[in-house]
Amino acid sequence: RKEVEQDPGPFNVPEGATVAFNCTYSNSASQSFFWYRQDCRKEPKLLMSVYSSGNEDGRFTAQLNRASQYISLLIRDSKLSDSATYLCVVNKRGTVSSNSGYALNFGKGTSLLVTP
Amino acid sequence: DGGITQSPKYLFRKEGQNVTLSCEQNLNHDAMYWYRQDPGQGLRLIYYSQIVNDFQKGDIAEGYSVSREKKESFPLTVTSAQKNPTAFYLCASSATGGGNQPQHFGDGTRLSIL
Repeated sequence: RKEVEQDPGPFNVPEGATVAFNCTYSNSASQSFFWYRQDCRKEPKLLMSVYSSGNEDGRFTAQLNRASQYISLLIRDSKLSDSATYLCVVNKRGTVSSNSGYALNFGKGTSLLVTP
Repeated sequence: DGGITQSPKYLFRKEGQNVTLSCEQNLNHDAMYWYRQDPGQGLRLIYYSQIVNDFQKGDIAEGYSVSREKKESFPLTVTSAQKNPTAFYLCASSATGGGNQPQHFGDGTRLSIL
């Protein structure tokens, strides 16, 4: 099982739609979770951290399910400017076989295209 | 403005040549990281440093070297031993290296082979 798995998409949605992305992770010892956004040929930018109780930032809502090792991102009222790739990111803490025990694992990303 | 500066934006390497990518941050962050991203792929960790004068290999360190002589600087050298260096290289930093902090990225260097 890959350390962080995401549906690559692409997700094509009309403006104003609600869209949800899912992500699963394999390391049950992981403690920190993030969603990043990456525009084409640009660097990833932090969208939001994901907290155990779930959290919201404007039109974006993140949820964490530790029992199922599952993270979600919900985008409401999609805008054209939301078109990007969304990366699920999980910390590697507890991975005893890895030299990078304190770094982050990045999923390959889910591509979103919002159309007029 | 605080941030991470990578240079150059584009770099071309000849066969057998070593090249060095610059990464400087003025965020006063302890930890710095180098990633490589290939088209359609996720980020892969090359090296990371949790503190000055210390660094650790990541998942794909072969053919690369780093130094961390100053807190604000973490240059990456792509050596001639790296046989497939064409990629998008991203430098990042975080306040601490504990893995519970988000990382902030520079705008990257695109390296190609001539």
